[in-house]
Amino acid sequence: AQTVTQSQPEMSVQEAETVTLSCTYDTSESNYYLFWYKQPPSRQMILVIRQEAYKQQNATENRFSVNFQKAAKSFSLKISDSQLGDTAMYFCAFMKRTQGAQKLVFGQGTRLTINP
Amino acid sequence: DTEVTQTPKHLVMGMTNKKSLKCEQHMGHRAMYWYKQKAKKPPELMFVYSYEKLSINESVPSRFSPECPNSSLLNLHLHALQPEDSALYLCASSQEDRVSNQPQHFGDGTRLSIL
Repeated sequence: AQTVTQSQPEMSVQEAETVTLSCTYDTSESNYYLFWYKQPPSRQMILVIRQEAYKQQNATENRFSVNFQKAAKSFSLKISDSQLGDTAMYFCAFMKRTQGAQKLVFGQGTRLTINP
Repeated sequence: DTEVTQTPKHLVMGMTNKKSLKCEQHMGHRAMYWYKQKAKKPPELMFVYSYEKLSINESVPSRFSPECPNSSLLNLHLHALQPEDSALYLCASSQEDRVSNQPQHFGDGTRLSIL
């Protein structure tokens, strides 16, 4: 069974600093997809970044980038020049296909606070 | 603004009531999902519809009854709920091409409280 582990329940940094959120996963599949979602207090789950396992190049979206280490089954998220609006719960998620549909397996989340 | 619209945003109901949650998307997505999320926890998958057919039921109690009337709409009918069913209910949708895995787009959720 696939599992996703986020070892940092909470993190706090100052505005403009760089912060890295860790995520490890366990799977026996060779091709899969990984995601980072953020959930601010407004509740909506927002896609931050996506990584396809067969692509060796790390995904980047503006200030957000990942460090994908397939052999180590590690998928960390780096936020550069952090902003107050980055305050949210961040979930790492593994996607698998089962019963003809896709299924997201989420980690327990990391609550990130950006302080002014 | 979210592209997946959920109504109502808040719902308070008694254990004997019958109510429905509604989810709508106009992105042409053919897969739709219901999740339950308790405070400070990740979302837990409840149901998946693919091309308007129920693909996954994660052993959800029968007091929750999903319905997908068409490709844009997803309902969750509630009856005889328990206090432990109080949670945030999230709807999501995604493209469904049965080969690649497109990201899911989430709505803002319905905050449900059972008295």
